[in-house]
Amino acid sequence: NAGVTQTPKFRVLKTGQSMTLLCAQDMNHEYMYWYRQDPGMGLRLIHYSVGEGTTAKGEVPDGYNVSRLKKQNFLLGLESAAPSQTSVYFCASKKGVQSEAKNIQYFGAGTRLSVL
Amino acid sequence: QQPVQSPQAVILREGEDAVINCSSSKALYSVHWYRQKHGEAPVFLMILLKGGEQKGHEKISASFNEKKQQSSLYLTASQLSYSGTYFCGTDSGAGSYQLTFGKGTKLSVIP
Repeated sequence: NAGVTQTPKFRVLKTGQSMTLLCAQDMNHEYMYWYRQDPGMGLRLIHYSVGEGTTAKGEVPDGYNVSRLKKQNFLLGLESAAPSQTSVYFCASKKGVQSEAKNIQYFGAGTRLSVL
Repeated sequence: QQPVQSPQAVILREGEDAVINCSSSKALYSVHWYRQKHGEAPVFLMILLKGGEQKGHEKISASFNEKKQQSSLYLTASQLSYSGTYFCGTDSGAGSYQLTFGKGTKLSVIP
């Protein structure tokens, strides 16, 4: 079972370039999340989706856009990358909210992004 | 607001015990605990859903005091494999869509 797969694993961008991070899950989960992790800051929520075709802003959404055209995929876009967006990005998904088991978030392996 | 975790870091020798605390300024519905090893993804440990609930997972257990808006993670007889950063994630309502994570507690277990 693949679980949550993130591509790419590493990327280096120049300031002003754009890119898209892909998150794919094969668990038929409804909810998907994008986090960024910076040293000493923990995991901060960028955007999330509660189902196909829906997106919502999290704690730190500025400079990012997302799309969820298919249930299994959640894309994170950077239109004009800035050095402040250098970070490790994690995608996560969960089944739902109705029970403990459904409420567990499963994380991808992360994408390490450097913006020069 | 992020929940506050304490301590920020702790070093243990194998076999020693540790307690990691997570407190919030907001009323909590549930607390989720995750562990992340260096360079890896966070991995789920446990969820505590009710005030006063306690749970155990091998030698790792946790409690949730709803009134005090805090949770504690207990690691007993620590093993080298327990090393990593522990995060608590909180949500404030039933059916909440998102978690707010603390900044993490780095646990290092040495021989």
